[in-house]
Order: sequence, then C-alpha cells, then structure tokens
Amino acid sequence: EADIYQTPRYLVIGTGKKITLECSQTMGHDKMYWYQQDPGMELHLIHYSYGVNSTEKGDLSSESTVSRIRTEHFPLTLESARPSHTSQYLCASSELGGMGADTQYFGPGTRLTVL
Amino acid sequence: ELKVEQNPLFLSMQEGKNYTIYCNYSTTSDRLYWYRQDPGKSLESLFVLLSNGAVKQEGRLMASLDTKARLSTLHITAAVHDLSATYFCAVESGGGADGLTFGKGTHLIIQP
Repeated sequence: EADIYQTPRYLVIGTGKKITLECSQTMGHDKMYWYQQDPGMELHLIHYSYGVNSTEKGDLSSESTVSRIRTEHFPLTLESARPSHTSQYLCASSELGGMGADTQYFGPGTRLTVL
Repeated sequence: ELKVEQNPLFLSMQEGKNYTIYCNYSTTSDRLYWYRQDPGKSLESLFVLLSNGAVKQEGRLMASLDTKARLSTLHITAAVHDLSATYFCAVESGGGADGLTFGKGTHLIIQP
C-alpha cells in the first residue's frame, strides 16, 4: 500500500488567488511527479523531480511552479489562479533507478475549481 | 514525441463476456503500465510489463506486451460489474525519470 497524500482534496477559489497544493509521501521515494487530468481525459505530466532541489517541467506547459526542499514533500503553487486552471491535479512518486519497475504510486488528487 | 493510443475509448459489455483493450505506442519503450481509475478517484496500479512477451494476470485481468509491435493488451475474462472503471495504459520513455505518457483511457461499463 502506497502512502502518498494530497491536500486539499477539493478546492474552490476565486480568480487571482494564490494557491498551493500539497503532496507528501512517506515511502522515501526520490522521484515525484505532478499530473493534470481533466474529467474523463488522460493525464498530462506538468512537473517532476528526481530528488531534493531538482525540478523539471513536464510535457504539458503549465503556469504552476513546484519546489522540492525535502524528499517527502513536493508542493505545487499557482501564483494567480484562473478558470483555465480548473482540473484535477494528481501527485505521484516512485523509486529512482533500480532494476525493477518504477511503478508510480498516485495520491488521491486535488480537484480544483477556479471561479 | 511519444504517443500512446488506446482502443476502444468506450466499451459497454455484459457480465460474463470476454473482451480485450488495446494499447499502441509510437516509440521504443522499456516499460508499460496499466492503471485503473474509478470515478472521482485516483489511479491504482494494475500491471507493470517490463519485457517483450511479458504476461501478467490478476483475477479476471490479463495483460501482455509485444515490444516489437509496440502493442499491449488488457484482456478481461468473464467480466463482472466490479470491473467497471476507466483503464489507462502508460508508457515510460528511455531513462525512466521523466514521467509517464498516458493513453486517453478506456471507459468500461459492465452491465448485469
């Protein structure tokens, strides 16, 4: 059972507000990811990290930013939320390298609505 | 650019029937993953396929991988209602550190 947590689970906020979506994992995984998923659609990678102080942009351009100051914590920030940011945001983590499969374990997601 | 295509995108079937979901991908990849997602929920890992010819089974679900054809299948045997969900395949490009590319998902409804 993977231990990866996201807060808040649901967030409704007005345009222009700054928000931070939290993601924490207790598995000691080096790799962490943020995906964006619109209802009924596929996931798109927006950010990932190899470890502390490592952050990279993913395939889908996003106005959000991330930080990785601690191994277990990978928050995502939107400086000024807009209705186009309305979506579900899923955090995931996996082990770095190794011979086996790097299965990504997903958090429960944050469903964001920007009015 | 890696592309992952699933077929079909929507599937309604009766309990007790068999069916197969297909996942094609466009470039060489080391690993292929199958996930399940229930409505409003997160993703649950089902299978990881690591090599050509790999076959894995869990209950009524069986997944296989043909890396030469760049094709994976998820076969459902004697479907039951509890298997209703959206199934995603995802592919990891070489290197393994830059996330997964997902297919659009197959929305599966199993009716009594």
